[in-house]
Amino acid sequence: NAGVTQTPKFRVLKTGQSMTLLCAQDMNHEYMYWYRQDPGMGLRLIHYSVGEGTTAKGEVPDGYNVSRLKKQNFLLGLESAAPSQTSVYFCASSYSSWDSNSPLHFGNGTRLTVT
Amino acid sequence: GNSVTQMEGPVTLSEEAFLTINCTYTATGYPSLFWYVQYPGEGLQLLLKATKADDKGSNKGFEATYRKETTSFHLEKGSVQVSDSAVYFCACISSGSARQLTFGSGTQLTVLP
Repeated sequence: NAGVTQTPKFRVLKTGQSMTLLCAQDMNHEYMYWYRQDPGMGLRLIHYSVGEGTTAKGEVPDGYNVSRLKKQNFLLGLESAAPSQTSVYFCASSYSSWDSNSPLHFGNGTRLTVT
Repeated sequence: GNSVTQMEGPVTLSEEAFLTINCTYTATGYPSLFWYVQYPGEGLQLLLKATKADDKGSNKGFEATYRKETTSFHLEKGSVQVSDSAVYFCACISSGSARQLTFGSGTQLTVLP
């Protein structure tokens, strides 16, 4: 019963490097999300997807791109990493939208450091 | 947009002490309210929820009551355990067009034996 799996768990990048974070869910959920968690700021939504082939911007989308080519996968890309993108990134999924009967299921996070 | 304000942490308590973590919100429409918990090294898990005014959400001995008049959703537990040590996040979602879950900044709770 894997739920939501994020890879990698840790990564260190140099400024200007690129990388892709992978999120996979095995619950057949339609909705998937990428959040970043920073000290004192809670979780902020980066991008989200309401179904295969669709994506939308969240609260803090700048510097990130996403793709949802398969229903079970949601990729988060950093084309040119910056120190301001040092954070813990969480992927989440849900069966339907954010309503009260469809809670978010979170992965265990990816800790990214950009030097 | 919506906003959620939680009491500043960290909070340190002795085992069996009473816990209150304050949460207030600003939201459009008629929001649903949530508490999520994050144990060390893990993602967030839904702890409890309330969908309308005066509803009380409860789970694992934790409770929170949706107070529309004070726009609050304070988390309480009568007797905390060491295993309750975690970060607690209050969150809300508006019934308006945005429908994005807004989180508070989180409150770190440490329970000492």
